[in-house]
Amino acid sequence: AQRVTQPEKLLSVFKGAPVELKCNYSYSGSPELFWYVQYSRQRLQLLLRHISRESIKGFTADLNKGETSFHLKKPFAQEEDSAMYYCALETSYDKVIFGPGTSLSVIP
Amino acid sequence: GAVVSQHPSWVICKSGTSVKIECRSLDFQATTMFWYRQFPKQSLMLMATSNEGSKATYEQGVEKDKFLINHASLTLSTLTVTSAHPEDSSFYICSAPYRLAGVVNEQYFGPGTRLTVT
Repeated sequence: AQRVTQPEKLLSVFKGAPVELKCNYSYSGSPELFWYVQYSRQRLQLLLRHISRESIKGFTADLNKGETSFHLKKPFAQEEDSAMYYCALETSYDKVIFGPGTSLSVIP
Repeated sequence: GAVVSQHPSWVICKSGTSVKIECRSLDFQATTMFWYRQFPKQSLMLMATSNEGSKATYEQGVEKDKFLINHASLTLSTLTVTSAHPEDSSFYICSAPYRLAGVVNEQYFGPGTRLTVT
């Protein structure tokens, strides 16, 4: 079965504190994993993908195949990071399956 | 850069009528597009894959006769909600994969269409 889980529906952290948004996946093939972000009243946009191993806006995510996880991390949260974050799995035929999302709130 | 547009951005219709939503890829061609629906405070649920020149493929549980998809050209896919009912009220979002040398570089999402059925 193809599935993405994000255990935290809501996550609140103070500005400057570290952030970790959890994501686990279930997929029989070789996974392509992404993090998407949706700021208030804006469209969904790509934050980062595991194959590029890049850091965007200070966020990083490492694919751990043993734990089937792709947690999103940032060492120091900023107020502008407050948004909805979706972990996503790209399956065959380019279909993207989304996790339920985590709403991140950064408290000033 | 690659952009996906949707029209209309919001629509209100009466129960029993049909509504057509357009999804366009601007500045790039898309042989496939995807349609999602998103209920308030919930995630995006994939409804179907729109295929240019062939029939759409629907996810399990999605009524193909209710949600008609037509991929008329390499830049346009339409979703028609037929005989709409209040439970069809939702946010409908499309996406299109942008390819470089045949490999998907990134999925671009439309801004979404808010459908309200009264």
